[in-house]
Amino acid sequence: KNEVEQSPQNLTAQEGEFITINCSYSVGISALHWLQQHPGGGIVSLFMLSSGKKKHGRLIATINIQEKHSSLHITASHPRDSAVYICAGPSFGNEKLTFGTGTRLTIIP
Amino acid sequence: ETGVTQTPRHLVMGMTNKKSLKCEQHLGHNAMYWYKQSAKKPLELMFVYNFKEQTENNSVPSRFSPECPNSSHLFLHLHTLQPEDSALYLCASSLGDGSNQPQHFGDGTRLSIL
Repeated sequence: KNEVEQSPQNLTAQEGEFITINCSYSVGISALHWLQQHPGGGIVSLFMLSSGKKKHGRLIATINIQEKHSSLHITASHPRDSAVYICAGPSFGNEKLTFGTGTRLTIIP
Repeated sequence: ETGVTQTPRHLVMGMTNKKSLKCEQHLGHNAMYWYKQSAKKPLELMFVYNFKEQTENNSVPSRFSPECPNSSHLFLHLHTLQPEDSALYLCASSLGDGSNQPQHFGDGTRLSIL
């Protein structure tokens, strides 16, 4: 089974700060997913990436395949970015996703 | 609007009740999933269906019974549940069932077992 570790577990920052959330996984993958879960429970897929970097608005996701590590960055953070951010990768020998425990981000105005 | 609709949003039931959760998507996806999310735990995959056929049962107890009548609808039938089954149940869909497909999630059903 692919072990997916996220850090930090909780992160509180002031509005406008640059945010970095990290994800490490134990086995090689075909694609790593970043998801956002708001307090109501709904989950939105942010990125799916297998190499390099992807950008969407103020969100940037990077992945280093050799080091089995991915980061999610948020520039000019805003209170509406407050959510739980989850990374996920496939289980070893099984194409189904294993999820990290999530990083709870709180942005203070 | 995520394109994946789950009903009900909240459900409270006793251990002897029978109820069903419903999930519907009109995104043209062929794969549908049930996940369980307990407090302070990662999402756990329960079942996967691809083109109406079950392709994954992640050792889920038989008191959870999935049904997929077509590629757009997915049900989770519940009977004689236990208090530890209280959780958020999320449905998702994707074009195919591989890990290189983005998944679209519903808002979930928050289930409480009395």
